[in-house]
Amino acid sequence: SQELEQSPQSLIVQEGKNLTINCTSSKTLYGLYWYKQKYGEGLIFLMMLQKGGEEKSHEKITAKLDEKKQQSSLHITASQPSHAGIYLCGAVPGAGSYQLTFGKGTKLSVIP
Amino acid sequence: EAQVTQNPRYLITVTGKKLTVTCSQNMNHEYMSWYRQDPGLGLRQIYYSMNVEVTDKGDVPEGYKVSRKEKRNFPLILESPSPNQTSLYFCASSPSTGERGYGYTFGSGTRLTVV
Repeated sequence: SQELEQSPQSLIVQEGKNLTINCTSSKTLYGLYWYKQKYGEGLIFLMMLQKGGEEKSHEKITAKLDEKKQQSSLHITASQPSHAGIYLCGAVPGAGSYQLTFGKGTKLSVIP
Repeated sequence: EAQVTQNPRYLITVTGKKLTVTCSQNMNHEYMSWYRQDPGLGLRQIYYSMNVEVTDKGDVPEGYKVSRKEKRNFPLILESPSPNQTSLYFCASSPSTGERGYGYTFGSGTRLTVV
């Protein structure tokens, strides 16, 4: 199955600071999903990127997919304690596939 | 409310005692899947189902069974649980290909402990 590498593994930032989380694949991605998870709870869908060069934003979170469709970044502007949690990138390898595989996640802590 | 419902949320059981974790979705989704989440290993897919009576193995299917007799339900069965199946389990569902931009919907999770 497809492997996704996330970096960094963990991140501690001061409230109000910007931050970026990266997700890299060795293969071209069909669809790239970003999820957020509070510890021990379910996954909350943030956004999906499908086209090379695509960028989407939701509130203070922006995700981008590179032109080669092998790398995605998630950028949070002016972080808040409510942004704390685990961010997971997931991907499906092809149009006919439903198999969503995930990176190991990035744990974000925001210090007030 | 559109959702994926898992039961139970927490379960402690003994080695070898058969158990079933239920998963139900009310969104008429074709695709359903089970994952387990472990520290350092992330989310790994156990089984998935493309539609009724169509199931296939994911990355870590050993020790698990599933069935898809109805579109809305996708139970996970552990015939003889072992301590290495202690984990946090998630069920997920998704509509057909053209609508996947809305993402996969996940249940709240089932924390299983096998002693």
